[in-house]
Amino acid sequence: DTEVTQTPKHLVMGMTNKKSLKCEQHMGHRAMYWYKQKAKKPPELMFVYSYEKLSINESVPSRFSPECPNSSLLNLHLHALQPEDSALYLCASSQGGRGSGKNIQYFGAGTRLSVL
Amino acid sequence: AQSVTQPDIHITVSEGASLELRCNYSYGATPYLFWYVQSPGQGLQLLLKYFSGDTLVQGIKGFEAEFKRSQSSFNLRKPSVHWSDAAEYFCAVGHTGGFKTIFGAGTRLFVKA
Repeated sequence: DTEVTQTPKHLVMGMTNKKSLKCEQHMGHRAMYWYKQKAKKPPELMFVYSYEKLSINESVPSRFSPECPNSSLLNLHLHALQPEDSALYLCASSQGGRGSGKNIQYFGAGTRLSVL
Repeated sequence: AQSVTQPDIHITVSEGASLELRCNYSYGATPYLFWYVQSPGQGLQLLLKYFSGDTLVQGIKGFEAEFKRSQSSFNLRKPSVHWSDAAEYFCAVGHTGGFKTIFGAGTRLFVKA
């Protein structure tokens, strides 16, 4: 099973709302990623968790708050977003560990977020 | 600096025709190379990868790619395109020292009947 599951598939929120995106994998992977993808652009890395610890934060605004409660689950908490944050948010996972550039990343189908 | 260049923003091919998508990379060491495909509104699916060894790699859905170190290229090919191949294709380089993957800008493939 190489599935990464993201919920919800679509989300519409106002600028004062608080919402969360969820990502789950059961492949035993120890690295999990959040990407943001705007239309007609490649994915942009936001955060990486390795062994449930935050390993990379690509200078993402604090209105995005990641959380990794356990090795299978990754959340992205959203608060006070701006319309320009509207995008497809992709979660990915990989084996993790040494030589991680060699790790194959498996992607979820994404959450389409619209901020009004 | 590491980078990935996909020179073609979009390509149109006829169904049944052959396909080649170009990818050039800039990387100091032996790269880990990937091709991903993304259908509209979907996540990325790995087509194939190159880590070392045989420079011609086979992937899923009838795709193959050839690593040419002398040209810093990793072009994707398919001998006969199907309408269902219409999608966005991303070439990517894996960072040997960590988790970051560098993606090219993507090539949108259109397939005409």
